[in-house]
Amino acid sequence: SDVLTQPPSVSVAPGKTATITCGGANIGSKTVHWYQLRPGQAPVMVIYDDSDRPSGIPERFSGSNSGNTATLTISGVEAGDEAEYYCQVWDSSHDHRDVFGTGTKVTVL
Amino acid sequence: EVQLAESGGAVVQPGGSLRLSCAASGFTFDDYTMHWVRQTPTKGLEWVSLISWDGAITYYAGSVRGRFTISRDNSKNSLYLQMNNLTTEDTALYYCAKDMTSGLDGDGMDVWGQGTTVTVSS
Repeated sequence: SDVLTQPPSVSVAPGKTATITCGGANIGSKTVHWYQLRPGQAPVMVIYDDSDRPSGIPERFSGSNSGNTATLTISGVEAGDEAEYYCQVWDSSHDHRDVFGTGTKVTVL
Repeated sequence: EVQLAESGGAVVQPGGSLRLSCAASGFTFDDYTMHWVRQTPTKGLEWVSLISWDGAITYYAGSVRGRFTISRDNSKNSLYLQMNNLTTEDTALYYCAKDMTSGLDGDGMDVWGQGTTVTVSS
């Protein structure tokens, strides 16, 4: 089964770049999606299919996926980017299910 | 505007039952797979269940299989989650989410509701 490991927290100054990793065995062979969770708000998909942005998501959000690590990068971080971020894959190996990463809290200094 | 609105959350005793509902609007409901996902402070996001566009196929997380039942009524643009034999481990904020497609192979969830809170406590 998939275990997706993310760093618990990432701190970044405004205008700098935040990098959030999602580690899993051979995750590069799977399709990864990323979600942003702010307290009191509905979760928002920020990246789908490894690197595509849904309509309305700024170009500052980008994604990549290779080997054992998928990465969400937020360039030119803004105060409004402070949130929790989760990666997600579909596990069809033996038990059809979606799997979420452990989550990363991004703090804008 | 595409929207999902959950309801039905409550405080319930261990061993009790609860039925959550999710009202969909702004899109063709029966064109999409739908999901339930829950969030806790300790575990983060946990996928709970999905249902195919026509209700014929359902999948469950191991932690809820045999206790929870997902269903949908396309004539009412509504998704449901029947939860039985609840335990304290089921305490969470429950979200319904729309899949990006009608497929069943992890296409991502592009629309989420605000969630409804379930608390299991004696």
